Amino acid sequence: EAGVAQSPRYKIIEKRQSVAFWCNPISGHATLYWYQQILGQGPKLLIQFQNNGVVDDSQLPKDRFSAERLKGVDSTLKIQPAKLEDSAVYLCASSLEKLGGSEQFFGPGTRLTVL
Amino acid sequence: TQLLEQSPQFLSIQEGENLTVYCNSSSVFSSLQWYRQEPGEGPVLLVTVVTGGEVKKLKRLTFQFGDARKDSSLHITAAQPGDTGLYLCAGDAERGATNKLIFGTGTLLAVQP
Repeated sequence: EAGVAQSPRYKIIEKRQSVAFWCNPISGHATLYWYQQILGQGPKLLIQFQNNGVVDDSQLPKDRFSAERLKGVDSTLKIQPAKLEDSAVYLCASSLEKLGGSEQFFGPGTRLTVL
Repeated sequence: TQLLEQSPQFLSIQEGENLTVYCNSSSVFSSLQWYRQEPGEGPVLLVTVVTGGEVKKLKRLTFQFGDARKDSSLHITAAQPGDTGLYLCAGDAERGATNKLIFGTGTLLAVQP
């Protein structure tokens, strides 16, 4: 079974530029998550989708971050414009539509460096 | 706001030593998961504990969920270099209502050969 795919793996941009990340979850997984992980820390949830609807985006900086999941399958996360503090690894995860303690399967992440 | 604090933050030990990582919160969680993350990869689930006081073993790793379901510990016996990585606890934030996890602050473990 293929895992969660993310691209690109690495991205270096200058501040104020725009960047987009792509995620393809495991087939059949209804729930998709985007996390931001600062080096050496735990992941912080940015947005959670159930199929193509948003369940939680309370920690998404909506003035510069946006995400969509058209057709309830793959998803893109965009930052526009980027700031220095956005340098982090952006992780995508997916899980089955099962309530309570379902395992989240993570992609390898995209490491973003903002100069 | 639900927070999960892990301690220690960093740990460097020699092969063969034992260690314990703690995950503490003032909030009650309906379940708690432990993940390990290796450099350049996403976290991978090790175990899920659901019942207060529950103990689960995975080879040399022993996981315990506190009686009040507010804390958890991970004990590794005879650590090996392959155990090196970032250990993350994660609590089920809303009693399973949305399958949302709150991740801990992380413990970075380095096992020297």
